[in-house]
Amino acid sequence: DQQVKQNSPSLSVQEGRISILNCDYTNSMFDYFLWYKKYPAEGPTFLISISSIKDKNEDGRFTVFLNKSAKHLSLHIVPSQPGDSAVYFCAAIIQDDKLIFGTGTRLQVFP
Amino acid sequence: NAGVMQNPRHLVRRRGQEARLRCSPMKGHSHVYWYRQLPEEGLKFMVYLQKENIIDESGMPKERFSAEFPKEGPSILRIQQVVRGDSAAYFCASSPSGRRIPGEQYFGPGTRLTVT
Repeated sequence: DQQVKQNSPSLSVQEGRISILNCDYTNSMFDYFLWYKKYPAEGPTFLISISSIKDKNEDGRFTVFLNKSAKHLSLHIVPSQPGDSAVYFCAAIIQDDKLIFGTGTRLQVFP
Repeated sequence: NAGVMQNPRHLVRRRGQEARLRCSPMKGHSHVYWYRQLPEEGLKFMVYLQKENIIDESGMPKERFSAEFPKEGPSILRIQQVVRGDSAAYFCASSPSGRRIPGEQYFGPGTRLTVT
């Protein structure tokens, strides 16, 4: 039972353009959503989060949007940079407990 | 302040042997989580521990797997009688009490277990 889904396994974007990574979830009890970034041979690192009572959170080049009625969230990166090339995981939690991860989207930013 | 440390980084075991994976959380962190990542999949929660207590082990297989976080020393994930299907990357994460952002966890580099 995949409660958090990332349906695009990969995304390729030109440097300077916007990257949009998508995530869907099924459990309406999730109260916080997070994005983690992972480079090869390293552990994931926290990127940005959003509470379920909000619909947008912005931090520099990164913005996360939440659409609760559609059970959908997205991460926007603008402008995209080559150093953003990594695997991005969407994750969700209930009551600050364990993270439920999606399967990840591999982003490649090319010059 | 050193990050989360995991060792070994790579571990090769034959079927039937035991695997012990160690995790030292960040200084001052009292919460430890273990996750497993199978090839081409996301990370799957296994167990959540605080010092000397297992808080949530709902993701742990019922047999052969155990975890501890003693009062002194690192957290240990133990897999007895390993099978090929246990081959995966095992990540440990830690977080402090009273964390500012719910769900913000600090991950170690992982231990890649290969069962031959």
